[in-house]
Amino acid sequence: GQSLEQPSEVTAVEGAIVQINCTYQTSGFYGLSWYQQHDGGAPTFLSYNGLDGLEETGRFSSFLSRSDSYGYLLLQELQMKDSASYFCAHLYNFNKFYFGSGTKLNVKP
Amino acid sequence: IAGITQAPTSQILAAGRRMTLRCTQDMRHNAMYWYRQDLGLGLRLIHYSNTAGTTGKGEVPDGYSVSRANTDDFPLTLASAVPSQTSVYFCASSERSGSSYEQYFGPGTRLTVT
Repeated sequence: GQSLEQPSEVTAVEGAIVQINCTYQTSGFYGLSWYQQHDGGAPTFLSYNGLDGLEETGRFSSFLSRSDSYGYLLLQELQMKDSASYFCAHLYNFNKFYFGSGTKLNVKP
Repeated sequence: IAGITQAPTSQILAAGRRMTLRCTQDMRHNAMYWYRQDLGLGLRLIHYSNTAGTTGKGEVPDGYSVSRANTDDFPLTLASAVPSQTSVYFCASSERSGSSYEQYFGPGTRLTVT
């Protein structure tokens, strides 16, 4: 079966750094993606890790360790607009995406 | 059109009725997907299509059907709606299958089955 575990909610202050963890169990792992979703909106793609290591895109970075079945999303210099839900997702059987339940990030001034 | 459009934006449907949710993309993407998102939860894959003319079942396909007659359109049909199908439905596309390819999501259809 497929499973993805991520914290349900995280709170941080503006300007801080926050890390959202994601652990997975799957048969046939290809890579881990991260999506952002604001309340009432559609998910938008943030990053993808196919290999172990860190991928950086501006204020956002994502990390993957295949041996630990673990990844994280790192958000730096938090802004109020970063308040949203963040989902990790992995591909299995090459065609099917499995999403975690999401982490609600609350950024406070 | 730029990206993915979905119709209707929202719908209230009586149980037992048939309903088709429409999805159109103008990016010439090969792969398309239908997800449902229940309140406060993640997205669950209903059906997918790797390319025009092919479809496959996702995690929660029961009660839903899809077709992919051409590259641009991927309609989702509920043959006989039930209250448990109350959800927000998102259509998505990607250039091709594979996790390295970004999925682009439509704005969603909010469906309430009474």
